[in-house]
Amino acid sequence: NAGVTQTPKFRVLKTGQSMTLLCAQDMNHEYMYWYRQDPGMGLRLIHYSVGEGTTAKGEVPDGYNVSRLKKQNFLLGLESAAPSQTSVYFCASTVSGTGVPGELFFGEGSRLTVL
Amino acid sequence: AQRVTQPEKLLSVFKGAPVELKCNYSYSGSPELFWYVQYSRQRLQLLLRHISRESIKGFTADLNKGETSFHLKKPFAQEEDSAMYYCALKDTGGFKTIFGAGTRLFVKA
Repeated sequence: NAGVTQTPKFRVLKTGQSMTLLCAQDMNHEYMYWYRQDPGMGLRLIHYSVGEGTTAKGEVPDGYNVSRLKKQNFLLGLESAAPSQTSVYFCASTVSGTGVPGELFFGEGSRLTVL
Repeated sequence: AQRVTQPEKLLSVFKGAPVELKCNYSYSGSPELFWYVQYSRQRLQLLLRHISRESIKGFTADLNKGETSFHLKKPFAQEEDSAMYYCALKDTGGFKTIFGAGTRLFVKA
């Protein structure tokens, strides 16, 4: 059982380049999330999705786009990378609904460096 | 607005000493609170949640609604407890989980 898988795990970009991070989960979870982790700032929510075909903005959405075309996949895109987007990106998923445990299951992270 | 505050970025204790990682939250409804841990070279994982009132690896956390706190405690720290700890709040009426800035715990031999 793979859980949550992120690709790629490492990437170096030049300013202005674009890229896509892929998150795949095999737990049939409805909700998926993209966070970025920066020293001293913890995890900040970029975008999230509550189901196939839906997306919503989190705390720090600027400069990112997302898509959830399939329930098991959640893509994070950077159209024009900036050095401020150098970070470690985490994907997470969880079951939906109220009254259920809200535990998040995380991927291993993707380290992105923008030069 | 929802907010989770972890005032300590780094906490260093000796092995066998008690440890308390502080977490305060701001939320107007009924929060679900969690502690997540990230050991070196491992992915983030759930340590415990307040609704379960459980003890995991010797850690406990009590929700204090009056003080809006959810501090993580362990009476005797072990070297393997060294990790990054995040307090998190889930909006029970919504879909998001908000994290604090994290506290790095270092347990010295």
